[in-house]
Amino acid sequence: GESVGLHLPTLSVQEGDNSIINCAYSNSASDYFIWYKQESGKGPQFIIDIRSNMDKRQGQRVTVLLNKTVKHLSLQIAATQPGDSAVYFCAESLNQGGKLIFGQGTELSVKP
Amino acid sequence: DTAVSQTPKYLVTQMGNDKSIKCEQNLGHDTMYWYKQDSKKFLKIMFSYNNKELIINETVPNRFSPKSPDKAHLNLHINSLELGDSAVYFCASSQGLAEYEQYFGPGTRLTVT
Repeated sequence: GESVGLHLPTLSVQEGDNSIINCAYSNSASDYFIWYKQESGKGPQFIIDIRSNMDKRQGQRVTVLLNKTVKHLSLQIAATQPGDSAVYFCAESLNQGGKLIFGQGTELSVKP
Repeated sequence: DTAVSQTPKYLVTQMGNDKSIKCEQNLGHDTMYWYKQDSKKFLKIMFSYNNKELIINETVPNRFSPKSPDKAHLNLHINSLELGDSAVYFCASSQGLAEYEQYFGPGTRLTVT
């Protein structure tokens, strides 16, 4: 489905399905990649991070994949739940004192 | 208990005014940040402080002045407000400079009319 007004990429999934949110990053020198979740009206919340020398990391119901060849990052959410509905941001770090460069954000809608 | 708190939550003011947003964290973290989120949800860092010392100062107009009276507080003062300053401002903290798990406050929605 399309989200009117926000101009964010959107992803609509059925409850219980797996979700894959993609992100392209810009800087080959980035040393860490992080995913944040932002629910409506709240601040972003850390989900998971991955160091640049890894290609996969798993958390609880989430997996992050890193493909440095094509500068692509993805977040997989297993068994998506209505509480997963939010905007998801990828961020990259250039090891500059904690500076994070956030991507555009993807709005995930979970249909019951 | 609120980990990172900001006041006020909403701020409506006229162009040309001066306003402040306050931030406090009770996590015992050393590093604090200010971010600006625009109407398209784009999130950009403005400043960071580590133990009251300015670390990151992005290309932000000098009408914006952060102040850290102690490592638990980071305030943002904005002079001569402009329409383009309308946004949601988030404060965040992390344990240290190299920590990418940042804890964000609830945000302050600033509307300049």
